[in-house]
Amino acid sequence: AQRVTQPEKLLSVFKGAPVELKCNYSYSGSPELFWYVQYSRQRLQLLLRHISRESIKGFTADLNKGETSFHLKKPFAQEEDSAMYYCALIPVSWGKLQFGAGTQVVVTP
Amino acid sequence: NAGVTQTPKFQVLKTGQSMTLQCAQDMNHNSMYWYRQDPGMGLRLIYYSASEGTTDKGEVPNGYNVSRLNKREFSLRLESAAPSQTSVYFCASRGEIEAFFGQGTRLTVV
Repeated sequence: AQRVTQPEKLLSVFKGAPVELKCNYSYSGSPELFWYVQYSRQRLQLLLRHISRESIKGFTADLNKGETSFHLKKPFAQEEDSAMYYCALIPVSWGKLQFGAGTQVVVTP
Repeated sequence: NAGVTQTPKFQVLKTGQSMTLQCAQDMNHNSMYWYRQDPGMGLRLIYYSASEGTTDKGEVPNGYNVSRLNKREFSLRLESAAPSQTSVYFCASRGEIEAFFGQGTRLTVV
């Protein structure tokens, strides 16, 4: 069965400090992985997908198949990065899109 | 662009009452989903539909039923509401790249 684990419920960082959100997954095949973000009073929206290999809002995420991880990183956190972040997995394009428990990021000045 | 529209936004039910949450998307997506969001539990999949006419259970389907009425609409029904179903419910639809979410329904069962 597919599973997404986000071990940190809350990350509190200072503005300008690096931030890393951990995500581990279990799935026997080659799933597609995503990071979604939910800002206060806004809808959940896509931040990154592993296939695109791009940097969005300064965030990057690298898929490590050996460690089955897809950690999200940003070298210098900004106050506007405060939000709930969800790691998600889909085994095939038409399959179940499954989310982790989420990590609340709070960036303080 | 409307995207994904959920109704209602808020609802209070008494234990044992029934209700249907409505969801519609205008992006011609095949896949649609229903999730519930609870503190510390993240988004848990209730049901999903890979295409019109098909539905499948997610992680927490007990106490819920769904109907994929047509390609646009995917409804979630609570036949006999329980306090444990107090939650925020999200509908989503997915195309080839990303999933788009509704604004959520905050449901309280008393």
